[in-house]
Amino acid sequence: SAVISQKPSRDICQRGTSLTIQCQVDSQVTMMFWYRQQPGQSLTLIATANQGSEATYESGFVIDKFPISRPNLTFSTLTVSNMSPEDSSIYLCSVSSGTGLTGELFFGEGSRLTVL
Amino acid sequence: GENVEQHPSTLSVQEGDSAVIKCTYSDSASNYFPWYKQELGKRPQLIIDIRSNVGEKKDQRIAVTLNKTAKHFSLHITETQPEDSAVYFCAVRTSGAGSYQLTFGKGTKLSVIP
Repeated sequence: SAVISQKPSRDICQRGTSLTIQCQVDSQVTMMFWYRQQPGQSLTLIATANQGSEATYESGFVIDKFPISRPNLTFSTLTVSNMSPEDSSIYLCSVSSGTGLTGELFFGEGSRLTVL
Repeated sequence: GENVEQHPSTLSVQEGDSAVIKCTYSDSASNYFPWYKQELGKRPQLIIDIRSNVGEKKDQRIAVTLNKTAKHFSLHITETQPEDSAVYFCAVRTSGAGSYQLTFGKGTKLSVIP
């Protein structure tokens, strides 16, 4: 399985600020995803990070709030913009091995954000 | 879109007993069904998965069964140990144009009592 590194691992942020989370994979992967896990909750897909094109966002998530970059096949960033306490969550980068339909999904360690 | 229901939300068992967690899904085109284990403060880790052309898969103390007709699948853990205590998530992938993402259940908190 791929080794996925995320940073920061945790941060405390002030309301109204923005924070960028980085995700680095040790091998080239086709599919990269960003998930959110609110405290005590399940995992919700934010968007699929597409290399060389705009990310594909799920219902309820918009580019202005969660801009995503994917400059190459091993790296992606997620920015949480204009944060409010409701954005306090764990944000997880994930990658799919193999092709999208048959590959297994692996997660990074997550970035735990607390917004005051 | 896909709807995944997971039960129970919490489960306590005595060490050595078996634990069963069940998930149902709505889209009959779904074709991949993984289970993840998430220990406190850690990332979800894939523990077992099953594809739609298989009815059962086993890996040591863990097994998953799939009933495509009824659209449900289950995780079975036998001879439970305290280190099995964690939150378990089922997930479903539905094939379709550009549809590679997983939809997760709400999770089951398993507590194994020594």
